[in-house]
Amino acid sequence: SYELTQPPSVSASPGQTASIACSGDELGGKFASWYQQKPGQSPVLVIYQDHKRPSGIPERFSGSNSGNTATLTIGGTQAMDEADYYCQAWDSNTVIFGGGTKLTVL
Amino acid sequence: EVQLVESGGGLVQPGGSLRLSCTASGFSFSSYWMSWVRQAPGKGLEWVANIKQDGSVKWYMDSVKGRFTISRDNAKNSLYLQMNSLRAEDTAVYYCARVSIYGDYSFDYWGQGTLVTVSS
Repeated sequence: SYELTQPPSVSASPGQTASIACSGDELGGKFASWYQQKPGQSPVLVIYQDHKRPSGIPERFSGSNSGNTATLTIGGTQAMDEADYYCQAWDSNTVIFGGGTKLTVL
Repeated sequence: EVQLVESGGGLVQPGGSLRLSCTASGFSFSSYWMSWVRQAPGKGLEWVANIKQDGSVKWYMDSVKGRFTISRDNAKNSLYLQMNSLRAEDTAVYYCARVSIYGDYSFDYWGQGTLVTVSS
């Protein structure tokens, strides 16, 4: 079965750029999406179709997907960005989530 | 405003059954694929099932095939998940989610979730 792998944790200082990777076999040939989940809240879609932002998502959130890795980049990280982030893809009538990455803003 | 409200969670014994419901409002429910996604306590997101707009196509994760059934009633703007033969590992918050129109099976709206606890 298809798997997506994320680092358990990433940290960044306020104002710096944070990058979260998501790896999977030939992931670049699929669409990747990203979700933000804060404690006690439901997930929020922040990136779809690899790099597009839904309405209301700040411009500092961006995405890319090539080869075996999709990347979520948060430019000018803010304290409010501290959360768990999950990548997601679709393969063979199955939806797959990565294990999640906890972003800590130091 | 799009709203998804889940209900039906609770405590159930191993081997028991439970039916979750999700009531949708603020959009044309019959025009969207819908999904259930779960999250065990302290763990990550796990997709459970998807259903097509007219209910004619259903997908399930392997570990729930034959035990869970996703269904919908477009006249009532409602999504359901019938869960049978429940196991301890099914304990999770179950989210109802709308599949986006972006063509990538992403989820653009989520409910607040309902907690299912399987324990004796």
